[in-house]
Amino acid sequence: DAKTTQPNSMESNEEEPVHLPCNHSTISGTDYIHWYRQLPSQGPEYVIHGLTSNVNNRMASLAIAEDRKSSTLILHRATLRDAAVYYCILRDGGSSNTGKLIFGQGTTLQVKP
Amino acid sequence: DTEVTQTPKHLVMGMTNKKSLKCEQHMGHRAMYWYKQKAKKPPELMFVYSYEKLSINESVPSRFSPECPNSSLLNLHLHALQPEDSALYLCASSQVLGTLFFGSGTQLSVL
Repeated sequence: DAKTTQPNSMESNEEEPVHLPCNHSTISGTDYIHWYRQLPSQGPEYVIHGLTSNVNNRMASLAIAEDRKSSTLILHRATLRDAAVYYCILRDGGSSNTGKLIFGQGTTLQVKP
Repeated sequence: DTEVTQTPKHLVMGMTNKKSLKCEQHMGHRAMYWYKQKAKKPPELMFVYSYEKLSINESVPSRFSPECPNSSLLNLHLHALQPEDSALYLCASSQVLGTLFFGSGTQLSVL
């Protein structure tokens, strides 16, 4: 499984944008970039995913570098409810996809009022 | 209904006990997963079921025995556990190869 590297922790102020980086220099051509987050005392929840192009949904935006070796999850206006551990995960979308979703260490995001 | 329901929410068991964790979903998902999560650590994949058949076992000790009796239910049978098995056990479901939906987990303590 290809590996991702994320900062251990980040801080943000409420109502400001947050950019969460992820490095994945060994990404393969069929790997999708997934983001999940885990709020305190809850199971992980899906945030967004993409392959090559930037993606937007109601929760966040995903910016993918042209060489796909890094990506950034963007929360446009952080709220206190966005305080969570954010996981960047590579998931093979090719024929060898076994269905595995393997979590790395993640980034703990603190949001200050 | 977009929920994955796990019961019980908390479980305390002795090392000689036999207990089961239960997971249920009604989203029509045909893939179901068990993860184990220790405090302050990321979830670790244990088992994957696809179309009610075990497709992945991540070298989990035999004291953990999964069962998928139908497409909506997933059980994890526990026997002769050790204190180090104390953790949050998370269930998830998805369309095959799709986005995972997680339950809130069962917090297990082994005494």
